[in-house]
Amino acid sequence: DSGVTQTPKHLITATGQRVTLRCSPRSGDLSVYWYQQSLDQGLQFLIQYYNGEERAKGNILERFSAQQFPDLHSELNLSSLELGDSALYFCASSVGGSGDGYTFGSGTRLTVV
Amino acid sequence: EDQVTQSPEALRLQEGESSSLNCSYTVSGLRGLFWYRQDPGKGPEFLFTLYSAGEEKEKERLKATLTKKESFLHITAPKPEDSATYLCAVLTIGGSQGNLIFGKGTKLSVKP
Repeated sequence: DSGVTQTPKHLITATGQRVTLRCSPRSGDLSVYWYQQSLDQGLQFLIQYYNGEERAKGNILERFSAQQFPDLHSELNLSSLELGDSALYFCASSVGGSGDGYTFGSGTRLTVV
Repeated sequence: EDQVTQSPEALRLQEGESSSLNCSYTVSGLRGLFWYRQDPGKGPEFLFTLYSAGEEKEKERLKATLTKKESFLHITAPKPEDSATYLCAVLTIGGSQGNLIFGKGTKLSVKP
């Protein structure tokens, strides 16, 4: 157990729908990162939050959004889902905002049908 | 543009047959290079961080090395349980963000 908790583990939904993925960081970590892993693309950085504030943005679609709450857990919202959004979504956390000591969660597998 | 390339894409070894995985990188400035192991359907598991050229780190049958342009993950006398995808990632200098740039990984299969 890495200490980073992601729920749900699996999610199946239809095109056009909206889902929310949740991440609880490791105790003491202030930064949360979201990554998408598809079969052909590998791990792609989506967005980073540090202590409640957005710190960096990667290739995140406009249909996707995220936030980090005062208790430091984070949610990734995916809307108007398309078949191509099917992927593994990983959350990672670190103590500081500059990436050292990264720890990944076990991921949420999203299947859009 | 910062880039990480791993080779080979896939590697099949017999148990006990040592080999090396390569990670070459092109970045504006390297803050750190990370190696992860990922099993199917699981999250990446941290193995090593290397910070400067010439640095080496070891863990059981694995040894990671770093030069100014690439890193190698050497696997000595591998066992079937070493079968996994090995990911390389870099953390770049500049800005306040901490996102890693990943290569696409090397899928290692070790046959008994």
